[in-house]
Amino acid sequence: DVKVTQSSRYLVKRTGEKVFLECVQDMDHENMFWYRQDPGLGLRLIYFSYDVKMKEKGDIPEGYSVSREKKERFSLILESASTNQTSMYLCASSPQGFYNSPLHFGNGTRLTVT
Amino acid sequence: QKEVEQDPGPLSVPEGAIVSLNCTYSNSAFQYFMWYRQYSRKGPELLMYTYSSGNKEDGRFTAQVDKSSKYISLFIRDSQPSDSATYLCAMRLPNAGGTSYGKLTFGQGTILTVHP
Repeated sequence: DVKVTQSSRYLVKRTGEKVFLECVQDMDHENMFWYRQDPGLGLRLIYFSYDVKMKEKGDIPEGYSVSREKKERFSLILESASTNQTSMYLCASSPQGFYNSPLHFGNGTRLTVT
Repeated sequence: QKEVEQDPGPLSVPEGAIVSLNCTYSNSAFQYFMWYRQYSRKGPELLMYTYSSGNKEDGRFTAQVDKSSKYISLFIRDSQPSDSATYLCAMRLPNAGGTSYGKLTFGQGTILTVHP
């Protein structure tokens, strides 16, 4: 069974802090994704990666960066947290090469920036 | 205009009711259509997947795609309290070659409550 693990379930940070959200998957998937989920807006793609050290901007990359040094790990970095980055963050992974392959999601990190 | 619009709900129905969840989209190039279910405090999980126009049935769930109208639906028959969750439609473009592969565009989600 695919497992996507996000390191923290809840996180509270102060404005201006540098924040790291960590995600690990155990199925050797090539693709990894970071989404944020907000009421009324659904899931919006921040960044994704299709290989180690490769990254692509999603729909809302501003204020975020990512790191993928190992295939199983994908980190989301908030360089200087702001209150409008308070949200639920969801990591996902999928194998490459299959049109109907689902995204496997972690259970999310709820980040509050005060 | 959002690429994918989903009826926001929330929806509250009695047990046994037929539920209809709907999404419209503006990009006619979308070719793969999915429904995800998300229980409270959990990540979304794939419920149904369809390719192009037509119907697909899986137990009490039917996914319907009408590409001419750019409209997709999920029907739940004989709804149960365990169906209470947020339902998200999602769409994927054909492989454009390389980096867009695997990227999904989601609707806003509909919160469904089925009460006994």
